[in-house]
Amino acid sequence: EVQLLESGGKVVQPGGSLTLSCVGSGFTFSSYAMNWVRLAPGKGLEWVSSVNNAGDGPQYAPSVRGRFTISRDNSRDTLYLHLTSLKFEDSATYHCAKTFQPYSSGPGTLDFWGPGSLVTVS
Amino acid sequence: AIQLTQSPSSLSASVGDRVTIACRASQGISVSLAWYQQNPGRAPKLLIYSASRLQTGVPSRFSGGGSGTEFTLTISSLQPEDFATYYCQQVHVYPLTFGQGTRLEIK
Repeated sequence: EVQLLESGGKVVQPGGSLTLSCVGSGFTFSSYAMNWVRLAPGKGLEWVSSVNNAGDGPQYAPSVRGRFTISRDNSRDTLYLHLTSLKFEDSATYHCAKTFQPYSSGPGTLDFWGPGSLVTVS
Repeated sequence: AIQLTQSPSSLSASVGDRVTIACRASQGISVSLAWYQQNPGRAPKLLIYSASRLQTGVPSRFSGGGSGTEFTLTISSLQPEDFATYYCQQVHVYPLTFGQGTRLEIK
């Protein structure tokens, strides 16, 4: 059974930083591109960032480019998102999600999602 | 960025009803579209990929259609567990984008 579990969310002041982690199990983590998507209170889903299975070629939403950094450690089956220069509008539940097809180099459907980690900028 | 516009934004229906949600893309995306269901406090769930392919384990009352710029999600006979928020997402190009969501409520 595929499982994804995020951690690291907390209350942080504007301008602050934190790192989110996502541990995957039940699949060959190193074969799949991974993604971060957020859901702010009262708003819709917003894609944040993606990285391919090797950790190359990260992609970012314009709203976070230059402030957030995605990375992964395939030896630990773990995905990371380092958030800096945080703004009030970054407050959201951050979900990690697995890409459907293995070894995909481009955009892909997100077939399994974690329950999310709450980041509050206040 | 490709914009996705869902309609309606909210919908009231009864158990057993047939409902259809539309998603329009600002430019052609072939069949690079997915549909997700989300319940409050839970992880989104993939329902449909490649516009019309049913994800494993998803009930057959869900179906998707369309290509290019016009897409639909249909639920043939609403069940109590279907009352949730639904999102379309384009996976044609980066940045990935979602529709604004359609909230399906019990009438």
